[in-house]
Amino acid sequence: DAKTTQPNSMESNEEEPVHLPCNHSTISGTDYIHWYRQLPSQGPEYVIHGLTSNVNNRMASLAIAEDRKSSTLILHRATLRDAAVYYCILRDVWSGGGADGLTFGKGTHLIIQP
Amino acid sequence: EAGVTQFPSHSVIEKGQTVTLRCDPISGHDNLYWYRRVMGKEIKFLLHFVKESKQDESGMPNNRFLAERTGGTYSTLKVQPAELEDSGVYFCASSQDLLGEQYFGPGTRLTVT
Repeated sequence: DAKTTQPNSMESNEEEPVHLPCNHSTISGTDYIHWYRQLPSQGPEYVIHGLTSNVNNRMASLAIAEDRKSSTLILHRATLRDAAVYYCILRDVWSGGGADGLTFGKGTHLIIQP
Repeated sequence: EAGVTQFPSHSVIEKGQTVTLRCDPISGHDNLYWYRRVMGKEIKFLLHFVKESKQDESGMPNNRFLAERTGGTYSTLKVQPAELEDSGVYFCASSQDLLGEQYFGPGTRLTVT
C-alpha cells in the first residue's frame, strides 16, 4: 500500500468543524482512501472511505483532491467524543491475494477542547 | 448485532510461558484479521483468514506465533514461548467483504514479564 503523511496532532474546539489533512502523493489509480480512528482504550473504528468523489456519511465527510494526491477528513461539528487518533490508509482494490491487512501509520492525534 | 469480541481483555504471563488469545468475529464475516501494537509502535497487520484458510501471514513476526481458525468461525492466536517483546495490544478485526470495512474488537493487552 502507498504511504500517507498526516500531521502528528491537531487541536480544535468543541462544536467547531475539524479538517484533518492527509497527503498521499504516490497514490495509484486503484487505491481507495480509507479513514479509521481509534478512541482511547478501544480498537480502531471505520470512519469513511472513497475513491475519487467526495463522500458523506453520518460520521464525517471525505474531500478528495482532483489529482487524488491529498484528501481531507471533515468532522462538521466536533464533540469531546471525537477525540481520537485518526488514520488515513490507502487500500489497493486489486491487491487480491496480497497483503489485505490495513497499513496503519502514526495518524493524527485530535485533541478537542471544551 | 454483537460486535467482534476478544478474550481475555488482559493477560499477564511470564517469559517462556504460553498464551492463547481468542477472537470471535461478527457472525457471517468470512474475513478475519489479527493486528498488534507493541509499545510505542504503530499498529501492525499480522495475518488474514478467509473462512478457515490463511490468506496472508506475512506480518507474523516468527514461528512462536500460531494462528488458527478451525471451522471458519472463531480464531485463536497462540504465542509459545512468549518473549518480553511480545508485550502489546493484540487486535482482531472482521469484515464481510475482502475490501470492505473492518470491524475491530477491543483488543487483548498482553504483558510478558
